[in-house]
Amino acid sequence: AQTVTQSQPEMSVQEAETVTLSCTYDTSENNYYLFWYKQPPSRQMILVIRQEAYKQQNATENRFSVNFQKAAKSFSLKISDSQLGDTAMYFCAFMNPPMNYGGSQGNLIFGKGTKLSVKP
Amino acid sequence: DAGVTQSPTHLIKTRGQQVTLRCSPKSGHDTVSWYQQALGQGPQFIFQYYEEEERQRGNFPDRFSGHQFPNYSSELNVNALLLGDSALYLCASSLTRGVSYEQYFGPGTRLTVT
Repeated sequence: AQTVTQSQPEMSVQEAETVTLSCTYDTSENNYYLFWYKQPPSRQMILVIRQEAYKQQNATENRFSVNFQKAAKSFSLKISDSQLGDTAMYFCAFMNPPMNYGGSQGNLIFGKGTKLSVKP
Repeated sequence: DAGVTQSPTHLIKTRGQQVTLRCSPKSGHDTVSWYQQALGQGPQFIFQYYEEEERQRGNFPDRFSGHQFPNYSSELNVNALLLGDSALYLCASSLTRGVSYEQYFGPGTRLTVT
């Protein structure tokens, strides 16, 4: 069974600095998807960034970027120029694609999360 | 463009009772997944509905059941509630024939079992 591990329960960073959140996963699959989700204190889960395993290029979304190391099964999130609004729980998630075309999607497997606090 | 909505926001039930939670997917989405998030934990997959059928199921007992309606909205039912069922229940919608496999989450329903 696939598992996702986030080894940093809590982290803090000063406003405007850069922080990196770690994530490792375990799978025997070759084709899959990886996601970082953000859950602010108001609790609605928001997708931050996604990565397809078949793509070698690391995904980037504005201040957010990932370091995807497929062989090492590592998927870290880097937040540049941290802002107070980045304070939230961050969850790393793994998804297998659906087995058959026309079938349903895969389901997300989440890590336990990293609580990030951005300090002024 | 309305996002994923869930009702109710909060719910308090007694052990042994039954509860129904509701979810309306994002406009244009046809697939609904349900997750349980215990306090301080990551969400855990309960099941997924597509074309009004349960397509996948996580490691949850039969006390957890669901339904999807023709308009793609969905319900999660939990029977014989236990104290351990207290959690935030999240609904996520997606488009099965989409290319990104992204799931969009609702705000959740906080269930407290006393």
